[in-house]
Amino acid sequence: AQSVTQLDSQVPVFEEAPVELRCNYSSSVSVYLFWYVQYPNQGLQLLLKYLSGSTLVKGINGFEAEFNKSQTSFHLRKPSVHISDTAEYFCAVSLSGDYKLSFGAGTTVTVRA
Amino acid sequence: KAGVTQTPRYLIKTRGQQVTLSCSPISGHRSVSWYQQTPGQGLQFLFEYFSETQRNKGNFPGRFSGRQFSNSRSEMNVSTLELGDSALYLCASSLTAGVRDPLHFGNGTRLTVT
Repeated sequence: AQSVTQLDSQVPVFEEAPVELRCNYSSSVSVYLFWYVQYPNQGLQLLLKYLSGSTLVKGINGFEAEFNKSQTSFHLRKPSVHISDTAEYFCAVSLSGDYKLSFGAGTTVTVRA
Repeated sequence: KAGVTQTPRYLIKTRGQQVTLSCSPISGHRSVSWYQQTPGQGLQFLFEYFSETQRNKGNFPGRFSGRQFSNSRSEMNVSTLELGDSALYLCASSLTAGVRDPLHFGNGTRLTVT
């Protein structure tokens, strides 16, 4: 079974500063990787996903992530955050061909002016 | 295009009762998945339905069940409610089974068991 570890539970950051959210997974087989965002009182919205191909994945709202197979990581980055990026971010993994997502515990990003 | 609709948004039930939650997927989507979100356990997969068939089930007791109708709408039922069933229940729809196509989540049903 795969597991997902999000290394930071809370990340405070100033507006217009860069942010990196770290995610590691444990699996010895091919995986699909995802980042979702959840705003207060809402469901999850897909930011980006890696299925195959280029290891640098660009998503919505200026986010990008890099898949590193040797380090089993899929870290999320944004070069300049806005107040509106305040939310909880979830990393998720699925075995290739599987039907379910296994989520990390989430990272709460708080952007301050 | 309308998003995933979950009803009701909030529910308060008593231990021992049963509850039914509803999910209407995005038009044209044939797969519906359910997830439970709690502060302690995080997001956990409950089950997935595709073309009215349950394709996969998470590690939950038999008190949790679901079904999907011919119009792809889905319901999940929890019988004999326990305090630990208090959670946000999220439904997600996608075009096909599996996770390759993006999952579109609803805003959830928040269930409180007293």
